[in-house]
Amino acid sequence: GNSVTQMEGPVTLSEEAFLTINCTYTATGYPSLFWYVQYPGEGLQLLLKATKADDKGSNKGFEATYRKETTSFHLEKGSVQVSDSAVYFCALSDLPHSTLTFGKGTMLLVSP
Amino acid sequence: GAVVSQHPSRVICKSGTSVKIECRSLDFQATTMFWYRQFPKQSLMLMATSNEGSKATYEQGVEKDKFLINHASLTLSTLTVTSAHPEDSSFYICSANGQSSTEAFFGQGTRLTVV
Repeated sequence: GNSVTQMEGPVTLSEEAFLTINCTYTATGYPSLFWYVQYPGEGLQLLLKATKADDKGSNKGFEATYRKETTSFHLEKGSVQVSDSAVYFCALSDLPHSTLTFGKGTMLLVSP
Repeated sequence: GAVVSQHPSRVICKSGTSVKIECRSLDFQATTMFWYRQFPKQSLMLMATSNEGSKATYEQGVEKDKFLINHASLTLSTLTVTSAHPEDSSFYICSANGQSSTEAFFGQGTRLTVV
């Protein structure tokens, strides 16, 4: 079956530090990969996605590249802000309309 | 982007009562909607998949008689927690897929507290 493994948090950084949150996956086919962000008390928002190998998803300074050879989709940002503090979920979906498989989430805490 | 509206955002109810949570796709038709439960500091647990006009598919371990799901139209799915108990207190989130998209759009979530 499908699964997503992401690094455990919390990840604590100072403002303007470089961020990496690791995500690896197992899937039977060629899934689409996603990063979702959840701010406190809210639902999930799509941050970025990639639908095929070597695609790079990017949004709001965050980037992730679909690496089929390493089955990874690591999230990066060059300079984090306090407002980036949230929980980040890596997820995959292997068919249109199919369910998402989520990682456990990684909490990011950014201090001024 | 597509918008999914979930209502209410917070609800407090007494043990033994039932609570209905609505999930609406505001600007697109959702053939499939999903209901998740999230415990504090944990990931989302898929409860059920709801397809318009047919019975929901429940994940293993989820009581279908306790968590009633109705997907009566292409823009509305409801989750009713029946005979609620304190252990049902949780954050419930819905999501909807468009007809031609792998992307899921999430509602804002509902914080249910059973006292």
